Amino acid sequence: GAVVSQHPSRVICKSGTSVKIECRSLDFQATTMFWYRQFPKQSLMLMATSNEGSKATYEQGVEKDKFLINHASLTLSTLTVTSAHPEDSSFYICSARSTSGVSYEQYFGPGTRLTVT
Amino acid sequence: GQNIDQPTEMTATEGAIVQINCTYQTSGFNGLFWYQQHAGEAPTFLSYNVLDGLEEKGRFSSFLSRSKGYSYLLLKELQMKDSASYLCAGPLGDTDKLIFGTGTRLQVFP
Repeated sequence: GAVVSQHPSRVICKSGTSVKIECRSLDFQATTMFWYRQFPKQSLMLMATSNEGSKATYEQGVEKDKFLINHASLTLSTLTVTSAHPEDSSFYICSARSTSGVSYEQYFGPGTRLTVT
Repeated sequence: GQNIDQPTEMTATEGAIVQINCTYQTSGFNGLFWYQQHAGEAPTFLSYNVLDGLEEKGRFSSFLSRSKGYSYLLLKELQMKDSASYLCAGPLGDTDKLIFGTGTRLQVFP
């Protein structure tokens, strides 16, 4: 149980274009999902918290107009990187917190490798 | 605020025991997580400590001392496949957020 999927696993896009990444909880409902970014040899940095049916809350320094988050259902959150630039190239990981079970435990998706050329 | 520190890198030999330390400073505390992350993959859950003491799970054990703001992950009978990054993470206050430490890259040599 507690499986989270992400799609796509890898994406290459041209500078200036937008890319959408999907995060799905496959066998549980998630009122809260989280989006992280990880640069090579660095730890995970929380970008935003995605809440079903409400606006996402962004961490300091993360541009909400650039990283659009939508949490339309209890099993799906999407992150859209708009007007992508090479510096947005990173490993993007989502996680989901189940509505039941251990508080604070998050289940991670397999990640999406974004390369902006 | 919240601050979580770990050593950046460690090396060990196959079959040995290694201890990875994590110290934290936080305005609120609701337990500490350890995750394993292989290069290019998502983190996988190893342990969650909310009370003081040692919790053992097979070759991996995790220890917590809330009064000292200290935790460690103990890996026994190291195998080559244990070469990975180990991330210490704690919830931020009463929020659902997890704040990750810098991560410790462990290399296991034959």
